[in-house]
Amino acid sequence: TQLLEQSPQFLSIQEGENLTVYCNSSSVFSSLQWYRQEPGEGPVLLVTVVTGGEVKKLKRLTFQFGDARKDSSLHITAAQPGDTGLYLCAGADSASNTGKLIFGQGTTLQVKP
Amino acid sequence: EADIYQTPRYLVIGTGKKITLECSQTMGHDKMYWYQQDPGMELHLIHYSYGVNSTEKGDLSSESTVSRIRTEHFPLTLESARPSHTSQYLCASTRGGGAGEQFFGPGTRLTVL
Repeated sequence: TQLLEQSPQFLSIQEGENLTVYCNSSSVFSSLQWYRQEPGEGPVLLVTVVTGGEVKKLKRLTFQFGDARKDSSLHITAAQPGDTGLYLCAGADSASNTGKLIFGQGTTLQVKP
Repeated sequence: EADIYQTPRYLVIGTGKKITLECSQTMGHDKMYWYQQDPGMELHLIHYSYGVNSTEKGDLSSESTVSRIRTEHFPLTLESARPSHTSQYLCASTRGGGAGEQFFGPGTRLTVL
């Protein structure tokens, strides 16, 4: 069974601080997505990483896919209150054609002004 | 922006009632999914569909049922709601192939009294 372990589960920081969220597995994924979810809404896709070692930047957010495609990280620089939300990583099963995603447990981020 | 819709957004009902949660997408996606999520927690897959007349149970056992008579429509039904069914229900879809990104609806927040 493929699992994705996300850490930390909860993070409360001050505006302007930097943070990193990790997503780890013992399984290889063909791709990995990061989603952000606000209370009462569905998750919204932030980025997809496909190639081992790939780094993608989205304004103050930097996403990295591990060389072996088993892990990923999300780094936020100078966090702002608008970054508050639930961050979810999800891996696509390379051996299956179902399109099913394996989701991590999520990281709840609170950025205080 | 994803074109996937869920109704109702909020539903409060009494125990024993039959309910149907609606999900529609206008993107022509073959694969659709239903997830159950408690506030701030991970997503649990309860049903998925590869296409018309195809439905499968997900990783989390659920007393709900689904149908897929049309590509764009994937309703979920609970024959007799119980308080243990109280949760957020999220519908998602994805196109065939690609890196597996899923597009989510806004969710239905169900409360069973």
